[in-house]
Amino acid sequence: DAKTTQPNSMESNEEEPVHLPCNHSTISGTDYIHWYRQLPSQGPEYVIHGLTSNVNNRMASLAIAEDRKSSTLILHRATLRDAAVYYCILRGGMDSSYKLIFGSGTRLLVRP
Amino acid sequence: KAGVTQTPRYLIKTRGQQVTLSCSPISGHRSVSWYQQTPGQGLQFLFEYFSETQRNKGNFPGRFSGRQFSNSRSEMNVSTLELGDSALYLCASSLSRNVGEQYFGPGTRLTVT
Repeated sequence: DAKTTQPNSMESNEEEPVHLPCNHSTISGTDYIHWYRQLPSQGPEYVIHGLTSNVNNRMASLAIAEDRKSSTLILHRATLRDAAVYYCILRGGMDSSYKLIFGSGTRLLVRP
Repeated sequence: KAGVTQTPRYLIKTRGQQVTLSCSPISGHRSVSWYQQTPGQGLQFLFEYFSETQRNKGNFPGRFSGRQFSNSRSEMNVSTLELGDSALYLCASSLSRNVGEQYFGPGTRLTVT
């Protein structure tokens, strides 16, 4: 299973943008890049996913490098509610049976 | 639409006992996956069910098993409980196997004494 590397923790000020990096140098051509986050005392929550092109949704944006060996989750205006552990996950196609392999994630602290 | 529900939310068992946890997916979702979360090992994949068949299994001993019913509800069972099985057990559902997002339930907190 391809692995991802994320910083253990990051800090941000409220209402400022946050860029959460993820390295995945062993990504294969069929791996999708997924991001989930886990707020305290809750199950993980889907944030966004993409394959090759940058993606936007109401929660965040995902910027994928041209060689796909890294990606960045962008929260445009951090709020206190965004304080969570963010997981960058590679989810493979049929050869990986679609399972999610979680790493240790990045703990995001948002300062008021 | 109701989210993923898991019962019970909290459970205390003794070593050697067995336990059954239940998961009701979002209506219309046919794929159910189970994960174990511990402070030491983080989130680990247990198994995935689709159309009442186990499609994939993580690296857990045979004491961990599961099943899925025709209405997509799923149960997981852990036999001969060990102290190390104390964890948060999370269930996630998705429309199908190759759909992007999985929706997680709140989990069942199992404590083995």
